[in-house]
Amino acid sequence: DTEVTQTPKHLVMGMTNKKSLKCEQHMGHRAMYWYKQKAKKPPELMFVYSYEKLSINESVPSRFSPECPNSSLLNLHLHALQPEDSALYLCASSQGMIGIRGNQPQHFGDGTRLSIL
Amino acid sequence: QKEVEQNSGPLSVPEGAIASLNCTYSDRGSQSFFWYRQYSGKSPELIMSIYSNGDKEDGRFTAQLNKASQYVSLLIRDSQPSDSATYLCAVNRLQEYGNKLVFGAGTILRVKS
Repeated sequence: DTEVTQTPKHLVMGMTNKKSLKCEQHMGHRAMYWYKQKAKKPPELMFVYSYEKLSINESVPSRFSPECPNSSLLNLHLHALQPEDSALYLCASSQGMIGIRGNQPQHFGDGTRLSIL
Repeated sequence: QKEVEQNSGPLSVPEGAIASLNCTYSDRGSQSFFWYRQYSGKSPELIMSIYSNGDKEDGRFTAQLNKASQYVSLLIRDSQPSDSATYLCAVNRLQEYGNKLVFGAGTILRVKS
C-alpha cells in the first residue's frame, strides 16, 4: 500500500463517456503529478500542480483535464478519449517542485488502469 | 542522445550475486537522482535517492553517483528472486517553471534461483 491513493483501480469506458480519476495524499506534499505509462515504457509526465496551481502541462490533448481542488486532492477528468489513451495513469506527489524542495523524491500511487473501448 | 539512458536488459544474475545497474544522463545541471523499482503491472516504488557524489547505502542497495562522468548506478547485493523487476533511473531536470523528473527506459533484472 502507498500513501498516495488512487481511485478507481481499473476503469473501462467508451469513447463518448466522461469519467474522472481521483488521487489523494495526506503527506503534506505541495506538488502533485499525473503520469501516463504504456506497457514496457517509462512513465510520461502529463501535468504538474504546485501549491494547487497548474505549473506544467506537457502539451496534453484537451480531452484530459486536470483539477486540483485542494492541496490533498488531484483529479483528472476524461472526455472523448481514444483507444490509444488506454494506459496506466499514475498520480505522484512530492514535498515541492521548485528550489531545494524540488529535489525531493516523488511518491507514486498504485495507478488506475484505463481501457478505452 | 536520450536525456537518461539505461541498458534495457534483461540483466540476469544468479541468486546471491551482485546486480549492477547503470544509468547515464545528459543534463549537467541535474542535482537529484532516483532509482525506482517497478514490478510488472504495478506502480514505480522509490528505492534510493542520491544527491551528492559518492556512494549511498541502504540495506542491500547502494547507489553511486559521479557527476563529472554524468553516471549513476545501483548495486543490489545478495540478489533475491523477489528483486526481479524493472529498475527505472530518474533524473531531475531543472527548468523555468520547476523541476521535472525524467525517466530512463528501465532495465529489466532477472534473478534466477
